[in-house]
Amino acid sequence: SQQGEEDPQALSIQEGENATMNCSYKTSINNLQWYRQNSGRGLVHLILIRSNEREKHSGRLRVTLDTSKKSSSLLITASRAADTASYFCAQRPLGTDKLIFGTGTRLQVFP
Amino acid sequence: EAQVTQNPRYLITVTGKKLTVTCSQNMNHEYMSWYRQDPGLGLRQIYYSMNVEATDKGDVPEGYKVSRKEKRNFPLILESPSPNQTSLYFCASSPTGLGGETQYFGPGTRLLVL
Repeated sequence: SQQGEEDPQALSIQEGENATMNCSYKTSINNLQWYRQNSGRGLVHLILIRSNEREKHSGRLRVTLDTSKKSSSLLITASRAADTASYFCAQRPLGTDKLIFGTGTRLQVFP
Repeated sequence: EAQVTQNPRYLITVTGKKLTVTCSQNMNHEYMSWYRQDPGLGLRQIYYSMNVEATDKGDVPEGYKVSRKEKRNFPLILESPSPNQTSLYFCASSPTGLGGETQYFGPGTRLLVL
C-alpha cells in the first residue's frame, strides 16, 4: 500500500501550546498536502508543499518537508480550542494524478 | 458561496436497494472525485472524473458506479448496496483539473446499509 502513516494517532494539549504532527510516506512525491477535518465533516485544505520546497507557512501553521526521509511535519503554534480536529496528510506520488491520504492525527486542545 | 454539496447527508437503507448520492459543485471545476472514509483506513478513492463524460476507477471501485453528464454534477450510484459499504462518503472537486492538487470537499454523506 502507498498509504502514508501519521504520528501520533492522537494528541492532547492545552491552549497556547504548540502541536506537532508527523507524516511519513513511501514513494517519491510531487507534492504533499495537509487537511483538517472537524468531527464528521468534510476536509478543509490547509497547505500544499511541493517536493522542491522545504518549508511553508500559513498563519499559525508551519509545514516542513524532508524528501530524503520521506517525511513531513505540521506545526500549529499557539493552539486554540477551535483547532480541535483531525489532521490528515495527503501525498501525490510522482507520476500520478491522485492523492493518497494518511489515517490522520486527532488533536484535542483543552481550554 | 463556492461549495461542494452532497445529498442526502444521512441515509439508512437495506441490502440490495439501489441508491444514489448526489454531488454538485458551483465552482466550474473540471475534476471531481468520490472517497469513502472508514475508521483506521483514512480516505480511499472510489471513482474520479477529469471532465464531462470522462470517469475512471480509483482504488476501491467495486460495487459503485458514477456518471458525469454535466460539469457540475457527479452522482455516486450503489446498484445493490451491501453492509460493507456502510461508510462516510465524500465528494471532492479540484480547480486545476488535476487530482493531485488542492481538493475541495463536500460535507459528507453517512450511509448505513442494514
